[in-house]
Amino acid sequence: QQPVQSPQAVILREGEDAVINCSSSKALYSVHWYRQKHGEAPVFLMILLKGGEQKGHDKISASFNEKKQQSSLYLTASQLSYSGTYFCGTLNSGNTPLVFGKGTRLSVIA
Amino acid sequence: DTAVSQTPKYLVTQMGNDKSIKCEQNLGHDTMYWYKQDSKKFLKIMFSYNNKELIINETVPNRFSPKSPDKAHLNLHINSLELGDSAVYFCASRRTDTGELFFGEGSRLTVL
Repeated sequence: QQPVQSPQAVILREGEDAVINCSSSKALYSVHWYRQKHGEAPVFLMILLKGGEQKGHDKISASFNEKKQQSSLYLTASQLSYSGTYFCGTLNSGNTPLVFGKGTRLSVIA
Repeated sequence: DTAVSQTPKYLVTQMGNDKSIKCEQNLGHDTMYWYKQDSKKFLKIMFSYNNKELIINETVPNRFSPKSPDKAHLNLHINSLELGDSAVYFCASRRTDTGELFFGEGSRLTVL
């Protein structure tokens, strides 16, 4: 079952913050976040496994709610290099393949 | 030393032709996938292989036939190509302990 991502697109000025949401109608085994720059392959950002978990590095962090049905990706003090399409990927169990949301296109402008 | 490599990077061909894309990973992962990314950027799972065995075959036309000669290789053969097959095809391997996916660079297929 495909997760629902929002917003579809967002434009930021350098230094602004953004939140990207990913939700499912059922409890998930895990949530992955990936970023894809134009013409390149998706690149892994982070995985969240536990309800209530929060993770981050640099100015990009993510949370997974207690019911494990919703995750948010937080980008703070955005930089030009943050531009790209962000995908959440969800697993219903440990052995199923990752199913991706439709992506959120993030554009950071000077 | 590329972790997941795909060849060719670009294919341009006529409708009705047959084409193959090769994928190799040197990460020692057991599980590999093929994803299709269409013009709207939607990444859709096509096939899942674990240790050379087909695990999942999503609703993909049987013109698409994956083959895994060993756990480091997963190839994709497409028969009787159609216009709608135009897309970027990504191979990926999965790290067992974390579930992280490592993607190849993608193979852009254009069917004329």
